[in-house]
Amino acid sequence: KAGVTQTPRYLIKTRGQQVTLSCSPISGHRSVSWYQQTPGQGLQFLFEYFSETQRNKGNFPGRFSGRQFSNSRSEMNVSTLELGDSALYLCASSAQGVSNEQFFGPGTRLTVL
Amino acid sequence: GQNIDQPTEMTATEGAIVQINCTYQTSGFNGLFWYQQHAGEAPTFLSYNVLDGLEEKGRFSSFLSRSKGYSYLLLKELQMKDSASYLCAVPWKLAGNMLTFGGGTRLMVKP
Repeated sequence: KAGVTQTPRYLIKTRGQQVTLSCSPISGHRSVSWYQQTPGQGLQFLFEYFSETQRNKGNFPGRFSGRQFSNSRSEMNVSTLELGDSALYLCASSAQGVSNEQFFGPGTRLTVL
Repeated sequence: GQNIDQPTEMTATEGAIVQINCTYQTSGFNGLFWYQQHAGEAPTFLSYNVLDGLEEKGRFSSFLSRSKGYSYLLLKELQMKDSASYLCAVPWKLAGNMLTFGGGTRLMVKP
């Protein structure tokens, strides 16, 4: 069974630009969660999608958004990039809807210059 | 709110045993996860405890005490490849897959 895939793996943007990251969950998994990881803040929850609906959202500004498609693939978008958005963005997929083991993708390393 | 505390760094010797502690405060408890993360890689699942007690999985064991808000990960017969960060996490809400992570414990295994 293929694991969680994320594209692109690395990205360099400049302040003010926007970026879209993609995540393909494990086949059959309907829940996709996004996390931001930085050295200073650690791993922080961004949002979760389940069956194309955003089910939960973390404490991030509205510049961070996402969506999920009918095939469970998910995208997250960050608009008006700031230097502080430089981070590793991880997505995780899960089979069930409630506190189930999450499988993480390799992440997208975003650098904002 | 939720709060999770773990030691920042630990050092141990190859072949030894190490215990990584995690204390948590959460408004509603729905289990506790341990993840391993090697530098530059994604976290990988190690264990999930929802009931009190010790669960063993090969060289790794995880313990939970809900009344004390406490868990530990026990690594036996340490190997160099066990050098990694170990993350303790609890679900943010009772429904859904949102985890609140501790800052992680960076374990260095020395020969």
